[in-house]
Amino acid sequence: NAGVTQTPKFQVLKTGQSMTLQCAQDMNHEYMSWYRQDPGMGLRLIHYSVGAGITDQGEVPNGYNVSRSTTEDFPLRLLSAAPSQTSVYFCASSTGSSGYTFGSGTRLTVV
Amino acid sequence: LAKTTQPISMDSYEGQEVNITCSHNNIATNDYITWYQQFPSQGPRFIIQGYKTKVTNEVASLFIPADRKSSTLSLPRVSLSDTAVYYCLVGVGSGGYQKVTFGTGTKLQVIP
Repeated sequence: NAGVTQTPKFQVLKTGQSMTLQCAQDMNHEYMSWYRQDPGMGLRLIHYSVGAGITDQGEVPNGYNVSRSTTEDFPLRLLSAAPSQTSVYFCASSTGSSGYTFGSGTRLTVV
Repeated sequence: LAKTTQPISMDSYEGQEVNITCSHNNIATNDYITWYQQFPSQGPRFIIQGYKTKVTNEVASLFIPADRKSSTLSLPRVSLSDTAVYYCLVGVGSGGYQKVTFGTGTKLQVIP
């Protein structure tokens, strides 16, 4: 089992560019989430999904879109990157009756 | 969402037992309590989860009093490798998705 795989690990974007952060899990977990972590801060929930075809907003959803066409994949799209979106992004999955399994993160810098 | 309160930081010497307490006064009946550990440049890692009384696994113990308004993570005989940020979360588990946001956690520094 690979667990939760995030790609890319590092990315630099120019303001206004768009991109997709990839997240895949091979544990057949029903629930998946995206978090961002700013320096010295805890993780804040961006979007989450309770199953294929079902997504909802978290605490800080503005500027991000998600979709869940399969159980395994949960990509996060930045529509028009802004410097305020410079952060480390973590994807996580769970069964709902146990703790989350986190990916290793994507470090994003917007210049 | 149940709000949690933890100390911002703690220091401990190697070999000592460390107890980190988390307050969650408005915990709901169906909420579980979960603790995570995060090292720099890594995602959080699940440590332990419990609902009431005491839970123990190979790395930690979790003590939850009868009123469940607080919980204590106990790390026995810490080593330098236990230096990390520890997060207390309420709401994960019990089946069904629950939105949780991590607070700023407790930064544990283990001193030689």
